[in-house]
Amino acid sequence: QVQLVESGGGVVQPGRSLRLSCAASGFTFSSYGMHWVRQAPGKGLEWVAVIWYDGSNKYYADSVKGRFTISRDNSKNTLYLQMNSLRAEDTAVYYCARDDGYCSGGSCYSWFDPWGQGTLVTVSS
Amino acid sequence: EIVMTQSPATLSVSPGERATLSCRASQSVSSNLAWYQQKPGQAPRLLIYGASTRATGIPARFSGSGSGTEFTLTISSLQSEDFAVYYCQQYNNWYTFGQGTKLEIK
Repeated sequence: QVQLVESGGGVVQPGRSLRLSCAASGFTFSSYGMHWVRQAPGKGLEWVAVIWYDGSNKYYADSVKGRFTISRDNSKNTLYLQMNSLRAEDTAVYYCARDDGYCSGGSCYSWFDPWGQGTLVTVSS
Repeated sequence: EIVMTQSPATLSVSPGERATLSCRASQSVSSNLAWYQQKPGQAPRLLIYGASTRATGIPARFSGSGSGTEFTLTISSLQSEDFAVYYCQQYNNWYTFGQGTKLEIK
């Protein structure tokens, strides 16, 4: 079955870096765009970044632009999120999610299905 | 940025009764709206996409409606496993989520 498993979370000091991974199985990883979504403790969901199926395009939320980098290795069926210059407000559970949807008139519209179980990142001194 | 507003923040309903959750977009998102269910300690699960299409394996008691700026998720007869937090998400212009509605047992 389709499975996404995140890893790499932990406690990190402000200003430091961390890299998250998301291992995919049960589907043709190289055919799907992938997202990172985060959820601060007790809060709602915030989209973080998306990468196209072939890595050719990447887009970020303004809150992480210039600090986070999304990437993928299709030979390893793995998605990554490199997080630099971390701040306290980056503290959250980070989920990876598969992109699903459709394209029409030159634009694409996608929802997220399925999601991984998440990995907790805590930024604290 | 498109702002999604869900109401109410908390909804108390008895098992077997109907629950109606609302989601409003700050500008039209056409039918590019999804609903997710999240239980404590778990990842969100897709329920509805395209405003009204149930995802694979989602029971028929879940239904979605609306277009433009006003959307509704209806659960026709609440089961114990349905008590959770529900989020709407627009994907017409990037991606934004509502703040969630907590559905609790009355």
